[in-house]
Amino acid sequence: ETGVTQSPTHLIKTRGQQVTLRCSSQSGHNTVSWYQQALGQGPQFIFQYYREEENGRGNFPPRFSGLQFPNYSSELNVNALELDDSALYLCASSGDRDDEQYFGPGTRLTVT
Amino acid sequence: ILNVEQSPQSLHVQEGDSTNFTCSFPSSNFYALHWYRWETAKSPEALFVMTLNGDEKKKGRISATLNTKEGYSYLYIKGSQPEDSATYLCAFRHSGYSTLTFGKGTMLLVSP
Repeated sequence: ETGVTQSPTHLIKTRGQQVTLRCSSQSGHNTVSWYQQALGQGPQFIFQYYREEENGRGNFPPRFSGLQFPNYSSELNVNALELDDSALYLCASSGDRDDEQYFGPGTRLTVT
Repeated sequence: ILNVEQSPQSLHVQEGDSTNFTCSFPSSNFYALHWYRWETAKSPEALFVMTLNGDEKKKGRISATLNTKEGYSYLYIKGSQPEDSATYLCAFRHSGYSTLTFGKGTMLLVSP
């Protein structure tokens, strides 16, 4: 076990809706990264938060946003959901930006 | 855009067989190469972090080698067991960035 948890395990949303996914990092980890894994693809980097500030962003539109809290939890928010947003979303925490990343089990999002 | 390729896409072997997979990555601006083992419905589990050209790491029956000059890494499993069945992901870390670029993975199935 990595000590990183995610909720919910899976959910179904309708196109146009908004969704919030949650991640609980290992205690003491100040960095969290979010990845999207679409069917048949490897995980793709969405963004990273370091000490509650965005520290890098992949090729995702602004309707993907995040928050990181002092209690080692974080959120991924997606607005105006599209069918292509259906994927497994993974979060990974690390002790610092350059450290090994520990992954959660993911949240499976289905957009209909 | 960084390109990380893994081959084969999937592999089906018999218990006791030895097997290997390949990960190819950009040979410039190399920082680290990560291998993960990912069982269905679980978190990706870190196997190795490799940083030096010529590195060879071993964990039980699993070992990995690294060639940063030509941009490839091999993962070997000796005497495969059914519990080795999983998807094996490699991820490249570019110098100057703390994010990971993943391949699509190799799905291994080991039959008893």
